[in-house]
Amino acid sequence: EVQVLESGGGLVQPGGSLRLSCEASGFTFSSYAMSWVRQAPGKGLEWVSAISDSGSSTYYADSVKGRFTISRDNSKNTLDLQMNSLRAEDTAVYYCTKRIKPTSGAFDIWGQGTMVTVSS
Amino acid sequence: QSVLTQPPAVSGAPGQRVTISCTGSSPNIGAGHDVHWYQQLPGTAPKLLIYGNTKRPSGVPDRFSGSKSGTSASLAITGLQAEDEADYYCQSYDSSLSAWVFGGGTKLTVL
Repeated sequence: EVQVLESGGGLVQPGGSLRLSCEASGFTFSSYAMSWVRQAPGKGLEWVSAISDSGSSTYYADSVKGRFTISRDNSKNTLDLQMNSLRAEDTAVYYCTKRIKPTSGAFDIWGQGTMVTVSS
Repeated sequence: QSVLTQPPAVSGAPGQRVTISCTGSSPNIGAGHDVHWYQQLPGTAPKLLIYGNTKRPSGVPDRFSGSKSGTSASLAITGLQAEDEADYYCQSYDSSLSAWVFGGGTKLTVL
């Protein structure tokens, strides 16, 4: 079964750091670009960051640029999101997603999400 | 304020047809970037419904269809069922932002 499983969410104080992880299974992880998408409580979806299949290229939304770092380990089938200088507005469910195919920006596989709460 | 504009809510009776619009602009839909649609049932992760403007992933009923014209796209749902009650999101790529962008979402209520 093709799936991704996020972990690492929790409660963190403003200005703090958190590292999210995503473990992929059921597909050739190294062949697909991956992304993180978040959803604040009661709000819509927001793309956060993406990484190419090899990991050589990374992309960020303006709202997180300079604070978040995406990375992957193709030998372990894992995707990470290092989040620094966290703000209240970063509070959201963070989803790990897979692209349906290299030439498409559609995300066909989503994890169950991991909740990040930034609050004092 | 989302880059892609969707109506906040639509509704329809069982068996009816409803459409959800997604309006963009020249850097995104108007630039030829594909539009994708997602369904999010209450308390669950989004599910890909339509990709590449009109394509359905395996397992998605043909009651769901997508179209695109100019700077807008639409999702049509025919033969409305109670289990279709969910939030629907459109998504595309924006060249000026260099980012994937989502619409604000549309809540579908089955009357």
